[in-house]
Order: sequence, then C-alpha cells, then structure tokens
Amino acid sequence: AQKITQTQPGMFVQEKEAVTLDCTYDTSDPSYGLFWYKQPSSGEMIFLIYQGSYDQQNATEGRYSLNFQKARKSANLVISASQLGDSAMYFCAMKGQPNTGNQFYFGTGTSLTVIP
Amino acid sequence: IAGITQAPTSQILAAGRRMTLRCTQDMRHNAMYWYRQDLGLGLRLIHYSNTAGTTGKGEVPDGYSVSRANTDDFPLTLASAVPSQTSVYFCASSVDPAGGAADTQYFGPGTRLTVL
Repeated sequence: AQKITQTQPGMFVQEKEAVTLDCTYDTSDPSYGLFWYKQPSSGEMIFLIYQGSYDQQNATEGRYSLNFQKARKSANLVISASQLGDSAMYFCAMKGQPNTGNQFYFGTGTSLTVIP
Repeated sequence: IAGITQAPTSQILAAGRRMTLRCTQDMRHNAMYWYRQDLGLGLRLIHYSNTAGTTGKGEVPDGYSVSRANTDDFPLTLASAVPSQTSVYFCASSVDPAGGAADTQYFGPGTRLTVL
C-alpha cells in the first residue's frame, strides 16, 4: 500500500534562514513521483516541486529543493532564505504507476511559520 | 486565465438536502479529481475521471457521485448530505494520468461545505 508520512505537525523558522520539511513514503512501485504543495491561509493548493524516482539529481525550483534519498524512502523539502510569505501548510504527495491507481497519496501536512 | 474554477466558494446546507459542487477546467486536461480535506487527515480522493465518459472511485466515495460528460466539467453530487460531509472540497486536473508518475495535479480554489 502507498503511504506518505509527515511527522512534523508544525515548524518555525527565522526569516532568511533555511528550513527542511520531512517526508517519508512507502511504496512497492518501481516508478513513482513525489510532489510538494503549498497551501497558504487563503486555501488554494499550489504545486511547488516534483521528483521522479528515477531522476539522478535532486529537483530544484528557485528557493525550493527536494532532498531525495531513495534508499531511505525520504523526500524532504528544503526552503532556502525563508520569507514571511512562506508561512503556510506544506503537503507531500506521491503518485504511483497507472496500474496501481492514478491517485495522489497525501501526507497530513506540516504547518510552517516564518518568524520576522 | 487558464485554470480550474469551482462553485460555490462556500455553502451551508441542511442535512438531507441534495447538493452539486461544480468544477470546470480550461486546460484541456484529460483527468480530473475530487478530494476532500479534513483537519489532520490531509487530502483524500473521493472520485476521479481519467478521461471524458469514464469515472472511478477513490479512497472515500460513499455518499458522493460524479459524472464526466465532457472534458471540461466534473461535477460532484451529494445526494443526501450528512454532517460528516462537512469539509473543504478540492477539484484537480492533470494532463494524462497514464503518462506515468510525473503527471502533476493542479488544484482549484476549493469549496467550503458545511452540513448542519
């Protein structure tokens, strides 16, 4: 069964510092995708970054990078130079192969607060 | 502006009433999804449609029905609402779920539903 675990219900970070949000997953699919979404207080779900299980390099998108450790089944999100606007809920999600269902499996989220 | 629209933004509904949540996308994506978001549980898939004319059940389908008459629209119907269906409902779409693990899902702004 597919499963995503986010063990940090809440995190605090000082403005301009870097922060790592943890995500571990469980799957038997040989090919899968890992995603991070941001949900600000306004409620919308914003796609941030994607990592494929066969990608050789960690994904990066601006200040966001994904620390992918396949053997440990972890896909941590790193936000560099935190800004006040980064305060939000962050969700990790996984998608497997079509033959095991096309749905995304979401973690329970981490609430990040950036302190001025 | 291309994207996903949902209506209504919010709704208070008496138990036992019928309600349809609307979702429209203009990105010509093949697949569409309905999720519900509850505190502490993350997002859970209700129903999905990989292409117009087809639908499938997700993790929590009971009490909900969907239809996909065309590419753009994917309404979610609660035939007889119950208080446990109080939640925030998100519609999402993706290009091609059969394309593998890289098929990113993009979300609408959500509908906040309260069933009394």
